[in-house]
Parts: sequence; C-alpha cells; structure tokens
Amino acid sequence: QITLKESGPTLMKPTQTLTLTCTFSGFSLSTSGVGVGWIRQPPGKALEWLALIYWDDDKRYSPSLKSRLTITKDTSKNQVVLTMTDMDPLDTATYFCAHRDRTVTPDAFDVWGQGTMVTVSS
Amino acid sequence: QSVLTQPPSVSGAPGQRVTISCTGSSSNIGAGYDVHWYQQLPGTAPKLLIYGNTNRPSGVPDRFSGSRSGASASLAITGLQTEDEAAYYCQSYHNSPRGWVFGGGTQLIVL
Repeated sequence: QITLKESGPTLMKPTQTLTLTCTFSGFSLSTSGVGVGWIRQPPGKALEWLALIYWDDDKRYSPSLKSRLTITKDTSKNQVVLTMTDMDPLDTATYFCAHRDRTVTPDAFDVWGQGTMVTVSS
Repeated sequence: QSVLTQPPSVSGAPGQRVTISCTGSSSNIGAGYDVHWYQQLPGTAPKLLIYGNTNRPSGVPDRFSGSRSGASASLAITGLQTEDEAAYYCQSYHNSPRGWVFGGGTQLIVL
C-alpha cells in the first residue's frame, strides 16, 4: 500500500523560505518510472502543480514558480523535499505531495498525501 | 485563470446523469496529451478517478467514465449518488510553457 505524508511549518512570515518534506512508503523512488510531485491548493481555489522529481533525478518545475522552487530526493530515507523561497501571503495554501508511476498511470498522480496547510502572514 | 476551463458548478438529482466538461487548447488536450480526472471530497485530498482519458483505477465504480475529443474532455457520472457531491478537477500536460496543468474545478451539487 502506497502512502505519502507531508510535513513542515504551518505558519511563515513573508520573505522566509519554506521547506516541506514528503515521507512515503510502499514504493521506492529508485524504481524506473516512479516520481513524486508537489501540488498546492489555496483556500477555496483550484489545484496548482508545482514540481516533480523522477527516479532518475529528472526534475520538472512550474514555469511560473521555477525561480523559487527546488525539489530533491533522499532515496534511502524515502523522502522528497520541496523548498520555496521568498514566501508571500499569496502562497498560503494546502500543499500536497503525490505519487506517479509512468508505467501504470502515465502523467497522472495516483496516490496523494493528506496535505499540509501553510499560512503566510506577517 | 486556469489553462483548462471547467464549469464552476453542475447539479443533478440522485439517479440522474451529469457531465463535466474540460476545455483546453492546441497546446494541451488538443495536442494529444492525456486527460485525467480527480474527485475531491470536502476537506480531503484529491483522488484519481480517471486516467489516460478513459481508464478507471481499481475501485472506482463504472458509473464514472471519461472521454476526450479534440481539445476537450468530459467526465460523465451516471446513477448520481449523494456521496458524489464533491469538486472535480481535470488535469493534462501543457507544452508551451511546459508543465502539468489543472482545470479550475467543478463543484457537483446533488439536489
């Protein structure tokens, strides 16, 4: 059974750097075709894809946020970390990490974490 | 403003059939990229409902079906049930600029 869980700060001040960790189980990020992505959802609004990292360390970023995002993986710890610099109140959202397997459901996120709410306020 | 356009809301009575549209462009759905659908119940994480335009993951009832034509896609729900009341999102790939994109979401109201 695949599970993912996000962790990180719940409250941040503007200009700070956010670091979120996705800890997963039930799969390995060293298996060909597997990836983990980050998606966020501001309160009452739509989903927005942020970043994705594949088993081979291929990294993809949202074009609109690319300059502020970094995604890394620690295969031995079964973790994926997302950092976002220069946080703004508009970045207030629930942040989800999600599993992807190109060999099973190409391009879709088939299992999601429960999400973690991050509020940015001075 | 989402790259993929969905109606803000749709409604139907129990037992009825509803469809939710997802309109893209020649840079995403129209370019042949697959469409996926997610269901998000209130206060929960999204759940994959349809992948690769028409495929249902294990455990998803066959009341849910997807289709794609040209630059648009649709999600159909038959035999509407009260527990289907949720937000539904389409997702595809956009090639200029490159990245995965979601629709604005559609709130399904079961009357």
